[in-house]
Amino acid sequence: TQLLEQSPQFLSIQEGENLTVYCNSSSVFSSLQWYRQEPGEGPVLLVTVVTGGEVKKLKRLTFQFGDARKDSSLHITAAQPGDTGLYLCRGGSSGGSNYKLTFGKGTLLTVNP
Amino acid sequence: NAGVTQTPKFQVLKTGQSMTLQCAQDMNHEYMSWYRQDPGMGLRLIHYSVGAGITDQGEVPNGYNVSRSTTEDFPLRLLSAAPSQTSVYFCASSYPRGGENSPLHFGNGTRLTVT
Repeated sequence: TQLLEQSPQFLSIQEGENLTVYCNSSSVFSSLQWYRQEPGEGPVLLVTVVTGGEVKKLKRLTFQFGDARKDSSLHITAAQPGDTGLYLCRGGSSGGSNYKLTFGKGTLLTVNP
Repeated sequence: NAGVTQTPKFQVLKTGQSMTLQCAQDMNHEYMSWYRQDPGMGLRLIHYSVGAGITDQGEVPNGYNVSRSTTEDFPLRLLSAAPSQTSVYFCASSYPRGGENSPLHFGNGTRLTVT
């Protein structure tokens, strides 16, 4: 089972600040997904990255996949209270089971007004 | 759009009791799965299914049973509940088969407390 490490575990910032959270593994990812989970709800997919060096933007969120496909980052510009939630990455290693992809433990983000 | 529906939303059990957590999806997804979410532990895969009649174990299967008689339904059974099974349980589905590029669609969870 591929282990995914997310950092930081907790992050509390003020509205308008920028932030970056990370998802790392010692193994190469075949692809990686980012989800956001709001309190009382299930996670919702934000993005999937598949190519080393890939950058995807979703409004104020920028996702980057490392060149070596061992790490990924999520950058939020001018954070808003609506960005509050648990950010989870999910990925699998090349050659691993497609059906047993693992989640990181998540970064709990709080954006204070 | 209903998506993935989980029932009940909340449940309290006594140690040794049994119960079934229900999960239904109306998206004709082949892949369905059950996760548990505990503080500091993230989402851990319990069991999954790639189609009717096919199930397999995930990372933490002990104490749980599943079956998949239809494409739409994937119930999770606790035969003899233990306090260690206190958790929030999520059902998720995807198309085509839950591979790395397939997005998971989650229900809103069942919060289970075992006393």
